[in-house]
Amino acid sequence: DAGITQSPRHKVTETGTPVTLRCHQTENHRYMYWYRQDPGHGLRLIHYSYGVKDTDKGEVSDGYSVSRSKTEDFLLTLESATSSQTSVYFCAISEGDRGLGNSPLHFGNGTRLTVT
Amino acid sequence: GNSVTQMEGPVTLSEEAFLTINCTYTATGYPSLFWYVQYPGEGLQLLLKATKADDKGSNKGFEATYRKETTSFHLEKGSVQVSDSAVYFCALSNSARQLTFGSGTQLTVLP
Repeated sequence: DAGITQSPRHKVTETGTPVTLRCHQTENHRYMYWYRQDPGHGLRLIHYSYGVKDTDKGEVSDGYSVSRSKTEDFLLTLESATSSQTSVYFCAISEGDRGLGNSPLHFGNGTRLTVT
Repeated sequence: GNSVTQMEGPVTLSEEAFLTINCTYTATGYPSLFWYVQYPGEGLQLLLKATKADDKGSNKGFEATYRKETTSFHLEKGSVQVSDSAVYFCALSNSARQLTFGSGTQLTVLP
């Protein structure tokens, strides 16, 4: 158990409202990731972090922002939610500092977000 | 850029049947290759990996061999069980920081 907690687990929100998803880890790993999972697309990287205040964009970052003010928490914010952001969102961590070839990703159980 | 192509599902097999899920990739350099599995209501978890050409990853009776000449990493199991029912994702990494996933293959094993 990599000690990853995502909150909330489910959320329904209206178009145009801001939404923040939280990922919390208990083991102080450096790398944290946000993915979204959609049918036919697998998992696509939204943003990732390689340390406190160090973040970078993934392949589907438009409409999302992230923050990492402390090691254990990685927040994903939808500034103004749209229906296209209805998805299941997964947080993941990587245990090592030598890259993903040596350290697998450990995933949280996901947040199901519905934007109406 | 990097990409991973998996055989489309869903795949339905009877218990004890042989399983193959095809995966091919496009990448620069020498990526590491992975299979992840997702059980209902859960996040993905690593099933097996291979980090260089001709390596064979194996776990829980599943195997996959890194074939650079055919850019493939097909997942196999000789005798599937009902408990193997899940979604399987092929993935690659040639960066310290990112994984690229395939679209996933739903496997259902019937008793």
